[in-house]
Amino acid sequence: ETGVTQTPRHLVMGMTNKKSLKCEQHLGHNAMYWYKQSAKKPLELMFVYNFKEQTENNSVPSRFSPECPNSSHLFLHLHTLQPEDSALYLCASSQGPSEETQYFGPGTRLLVL
Amino acid sequence: AQSVTQPDIHITVSEGASLELRCNYSYGATPYLFWYVQSPGQGLQLLLKYFSGDTLVQGIKGFEAEFKRSQSSFNLRKPSVHWSDAAEYFCAVGFFTGGGNKLTFGTGTQLKVEL
Repeated sequence: ETGVTQTPRHLVMGMTNKKSLKCEQHLGHNAMYWYKQSAKKPLELMFVYNFKEQTENNSVPSRFSPECPNSSHLFLHLHTLQPEDSALYLCASSQGPSEETQYFGPGTRLLVL
Repeated sequence: AQSVTQPDIHITVSEGASLELRCNYSYGATPYLFWYVQSPGQGLQLLLKYFSGDTLVQGIKGFEAEFKRSQSSFNLRKPSVHWSDAAEYFCAVGFFTGGGNKLTFGTGTQLKVEL
């Protein structure tokens, strides 16, 4: 499945670093999402963008900063992260805000040292 | 608030045996229900979904699921498991808010297939 791509696939960073995760969807969708998947916990929705506008911030700490320059691209900028932020970060997209089905990318495995 | 429960954290079945993964949800309105599968190191792949209509839905890879409103359940089944089905399976309920559609996931069931 190459409809939603994410780079990098793996990332190791120190707590003082700044890095960015990138997501790109090739499906012509208008809604994009960031999720966090930690061990032994359900997927947690972080952010929702519809037509480039942020419509949901699920009480995410400000050290995570999303950016959606157009409907095909979504970024997650990371700075001064904590070790507990280590997780798999998944991007998803759907046709639009009223389209129920979300399609996921392969994720970025993040390790914060 | 909506929630999803997958009571089985791990399940082991023999190849060729039948499979049923349980999912119960809590939601005040008619839910949209999904099953996703995640192989190691991969993202989530949609297996099937229920929006309305026939309560028995067919998905990819020979999977099916049945929506039972009276039991608030959406169990996933497969009549004969293949070794390649070993993965983690997630049930999710979808709903709409002012911010668009959202998914609430269960904690997942890890499926092991014995040869």
